[in-house]
Amino acid sequence: QVQLLQSGAEVKKPGASVKVSCKASGYIFTDFSMHWVRQAPGQRLEWLGWINTANDFTRYSQNFQGRLTITRDTSATTVYLELSSLRSEDTAMFYCARATIGDNGYQHLDNWGQGTLVTVSS
Amino acid sequence: DIVMTQSPLSLPVTPGEPASISCRSSQSLQRNGYYYLDWYLQKPGRSPQLLIYLASHRAAGVPDRISGSGSGTDFTLKISRVEAEDVGVYYCVQALQTPPWTFGQGTKVEIK
Repeated sequence: QVQLLQSGAEVKKPGASVKVSCKASGYIFTDFSMHWVRQAPGQRLEWLGWINTANDFTRYSQNFQGRLTITRDTSATTVYLELSSLRSEDTAMFYCARATIGDNGYQHLDNWGQGTLVTVSS
Repeated sequence: DIVMTQSPLSLPVTPGEPASISCRSSQSLQRNGYYYLDWYLQKPGRSPQLLIYLASHRAAGVPDRISGSGSGTDFTLKISRVEAEDVGVYYCVQALQTPPWTFGQGTKVEIK
């Protein structure tokens, strides 16, 4: 069955960087794209970015341009999110989510990881 | 960016009774005969899960008492008979003008 296994919780100081991993299994890795979504405490879900795992194409939310990098390792069937220059407002649960790229570029998120809590505190 | 607005934000429900959640987008979500609107449920302490895609298509494993409808800028998620397992926060999200995918504020459904 499809599984997305994320790395464990992180505690970082303001200004630092964090790298979260998402290990995929149970399907052909390059047949699906991967998205990252976060949820700050008490807030709505916020889309961060996505990667086409077949060709390494990425797109990011403009809110994170310059701070966010999404990469993938096809041999390890793993996608990574790296967020730099962390501030307290970045404290959130981060989720990876698999998506199918359909007609006209439509994508929906059909499987989600368990989440990784990132806490930014001095 | 397209803005998504849900109502109500809180919905107390009685088991066995119907429930309905509204989602409105700031622009039409129609393209090529489809509406690019999805619904997700985040159960307490869990990751979100896909319920409905393209406004009215149930995802695998979703019971048929849950349905989606709507057109243009107005969409509705309906539960014909609420069960205890339906509690959680429901989110609509637009997938038309991306990036970014933009979510509604969420509607918290709880048992009375």
